[in-house]
Amino acid sequence: EAGVTQFPSHSVIEKGQTVTLRCDPISGHDNLYWYRRVMGKEIKFLLHFVKESKQDESGMPNNRFLAERTGGTYSTLKVQPAELEDSGVYFCASSLRGAGTIYEQYFGPGTRLTVT
Amino acid sequence: QKEVEQNSGPLSVPEGAIASLNCTYSDRGSQSFFWYRQYSGKSPELIMSIYSNGDQEDGRFTAQLNKASQYVSLLIRDSQPSDSATYLCAVKGGRGSTLGRLYFGRGTQLTVWP
Repeated sequence: EAGVTQFPSHSVIEKGQTVTLRCDPISGHDNLYWYRRVMGKEIKFLLHFVKESKQDESGMPNNRFLAERTGGTYSTLKVQPAELEDSGVYFCASSLRGAGTIYEQYFGPGTRLTVT
Repeated sequence: QKEVEQNSGPLSVPEGAIASLNCTYSDRGSQSFFWYRQYSGKSPELIMSIYSNGDQEDGRFTAQLNKASQYVSLLIRDSQPSDSATYLCAVKGGRGSTLGRLYFGRGTQLTVWP
């Protein structure tokens, strides 16, 4: 069974540009999550999809970030326009279910975003 | 107050020793606790889950949970150099819309030397 995949693995963009990150969850996992790790800090939650619906987007830092999950399969996270503080590693995770206690989240390899 | 705190590292132990990693959390409503292992540049890999007070063992790994003390730990017995990695404590949100999200500690870097 394939794990969570993310693309690209690395992205270097200039301040003000747009970047789109993609995540493909484990097949059959309805729940998809985005997290971010800024250098020196802990991994922090951004948002949670259940199928194509946003269950919780309270972790999104501001309206420059837009996440979509059309059709309930893969998800994209767009940053527009990018700022220097957006640099970090963006992780995607998926789980079979979400709100129950026992549903474990499996992480992708992350996308390292550098904004210069 | 941070939601999840881990003992500061790095932690260095000799091969064959027991490595002990600790974590405290602030949300008393949390019911699910996880340990992830992350090698440099790789994805966090789930190694242990624990939901009830007491011990949960899987091979050389034992997770311990004390909800009254809001404390989770991970013991690695017979540590191997391949165990050298950063260990992340993660706690699932305990209420409402936060039920899906994980709160992470900053991680403890473990080095096992031969």
